[in-house]
Amino acid sequence: GAVVSQHPSWVICKSGTSVKIECRSLDFQATTMFWYRQFPKQSLMLMATSNEGSKATYEQGVEKDKFLINHASLTLSTLTVTSAHPEDSSFYICSAFPLAKNIQYFGAGTRLSVL
Amino acid sequence: AQKVTQAQTEISVVEKEDVTLDCVYETRDTTYYLFWYKQPPSGELVFLIRRNSFDEQNEISGRYSWNFQKSTSSFNFTITASQVVDSAVYFCALYSPGGTSYGKLTFGQGTILTVHP
Repeated sequence: GAVVSQHPSWVICKSGTSVKIECRSLDFQATTMFWYRQFPKQSLMLMATSNEGSKATYEQGVEKDKFLINHASLTLSTLTVTSAHPEDSSFYICSAFPLAKNIQYFGAGTRLSVL
Repeated sequence: AQKVTQAQTEISVVEKEDVTLDCVYETRDTTYYLFWYKQPPSGELVFLIRRNSFDEQNEISGRYSWNFQKSTSSFNFTITASQVVDSAVYFCALYSPGGTSYGKLTFGQGTILTVHP
């Protein structure tokens, strides 16, 4: 299967700082990537759709100024949590969507803890 | 609107038991894909299977098997002779290629499977 790399796997930061999470498709090009947030014992909540070369599409209720998404190449999308606060602590997962396969492949996730 | 329902929140079995995870979906689209993903404690979602709406053949892969029935809008997943390593959260998901929701998956709530030795 296709490989999606997500980095870092775990990050601890102080309240008020910004954190950048990278999502890379290693062996395929992805014009579309997705960012999810997952709370303990819950399903994945789609935050936004990242489109290469254009603005991301955010789901209702997700603050676009808080969660900045950049998809500058066909293999890399980044999520920046700006001015992080303890309530932003969560598990963030990205996925990439190779056009020919109609399958989303997921990264290993990033556990963010904001102190 | 699309919806995926996994009615079983948690299942607990003893090793070597067979276990079936239920998945019921709703969609108005005639072309769609159904998926199962496994999320072990490490957190990464592992792709298990994709089924398209035009292929109702059941599939078997080792100890895993899937039963797709359009008549009941169900896509159930059975693990035969379960093992401790099968302990994970399993998600059923739905995707329709048409419309504006390109690539978006609709996930079920997930079923937590615990296999005891």
